[in-house]
Amino acid sequence: GENVEQHPSTLSVQEGDSAVIKCTYSDSASNYFPWYKQELGKGPQLIIDIRSNVGEKKDQRIAVTLNKTAKHFSLHITETQPEDSAVYFCAAPRSSASKIIFGSGTRLSIRP
Amino acid sequence: NAGVMQNPRHLVRRRGQEARLRCSPMKGHSHVYWYRQLPEEGLKFMVYLQKENIIDESGMPKERFSAEFPKEGPSILRIQQVVRGDSAAYFCASSPQQGAIYEQYFGPGTRLTVT
Repeated sequence: GENVEQHPSTLSVQEGDSAVIKCTYSDSASNYFPWYKQELGKGPQLIIDIRSNVGEKKDQRIAVTLNKTAKHFSLHITETQPEDSAVYFCAAPRSSASKIIFGSGTRLSIRP
Repeated sequence: NAGVMQNPRHLVRRRGQEARLRCSPMKGHSHVYWYRQLPEEGLKFMVYLQKENIIDESGMPKERFSAEFPKEGPSILRIQQVVRGDSAAYFCASSPQQGAIYEQYFGPGTRLTVT
């Protein structure tokens, strides 16, 4: 099947703390895992991605980890700031590689 | 380098009318994807096109919806005889290479309201 499960659906953290969002996928042939950030009234913006030949990738305060055996990957945001408040989506391609399936999204709120 | 362009940004149609949504990919990109997003929900794949070819339309409703990406000009998503349930945000994304294993860059979306 084609399924990407994302948790939690909402997340509230204190400014400065870390936030973690997790996704699981069902297609073991998936080999590319992007994360998108969507602000209110805007289109999704690619913020980081990882391919199956690495287990972790970092870009400043954002990191993504991948566990291919368990078929899950996570987004980590450290030292959260108010501008991190948004909806975050994970995604994974189908084995046919003609499309990607998105998770249901996580609404992240940063408390001042 | 301009990003993905979509127009109109907002579109209001009465039930039974036609809606045409346009998407111009990023310069140098020849692969376009269309997605639909209902309020408070995720993105649902609709169709994947290359210039003059539909590669995967498995997410398109069987009736009233069609998409094209001509040799010249933008990609068009067309919805005939719109109904209230078509009200949603429609996003297109473009990619530089074939296949979902490459980065997709999204436009700002067209918000369709059917009255």
